[in-house]
Amino acid sequence: AQTVTQSQPEMSVQEAETVTLSCTYDTSESDYYLFWYKQPPSRQMILVIRQEAYKQQNATENRFSVNFQKAAKSFSLKISDSQLGDAAMYFCAYRRGKETSGSRLTFGEGTQLTVNP
Amino acid sequence: GAGVSQTPSNKVTEKGKYVELRCDPISGHTALYWYRQSLGQGPEFLIYFQGTGAADDSGLPNDRFFAVRPEGSVSTLKIQRTERGDSAVYLCASSLRDRGSYNEQFFGPGTRLTVL
Repeated sequence: AQTVTQSQPEMSVQEAETVTLSCTYDTSESDYYLFWYKQPPSRQMILVIRQEAYKQQNATENRFSVNFQKAAKSFSLKISDSQLGDAAMYFCAYRRGKETSGSRLTFGEGTQLTVNP
Repeated sequence: GAGVSQTPSNKVTEKGKYVELRCDPISGHTALYWYRQSLGQGPEFLIYFQGTGAADDSGLPNDRFFAVRPEGSVSTLKIQRTERGDSAVYLCASSLRDRGSYNEQFFGPGTRLTVL
């Protein structure tokens, strides 16, 4: 079974600074996806960024980028130029590869990010 | 284009009662997922549908939980004889299809269930 671990229950960052959220996972599969989701108090889960395991290049979406270390099974999220609107709970998630059925998401425990003005 | 909607937004019930939670997926999405998010935790998979059929219900915690999707669109999660431990946010997500090329899961705002 796949597991996802986020070891930082809470993180804080100053506005305009950079913060990195950590995630590790465990799987025996070679084809999978990894995601970071943002969940504000509205409860709406919003996809921030995704990474295909077969791609060596780290994904980037504007101020958000990941450091994907496949051998170490590590997948961290870097938020640059943090904004007040980035404050939320962040979840790391895993999904089996595209050719398999049962594409459920397996989530970590979450990291609560606070952005200080 | 409407997103995934869930009703009710909040539901308070008494221990032992029966509840139904509804999910309206994005039009045209054939795959639908239910997750449960307990306080302070990440969502946990319950069940997913491909069309009308439950393709994987291995996440349902026990036989008090049941879900249907009779016409391949709206889904209802049903909980019998509710217990205080069932209190959680129930999230629904939909995607274009389940397998093949990557399809993003779009989440609804969830239903917060409180069992007194």
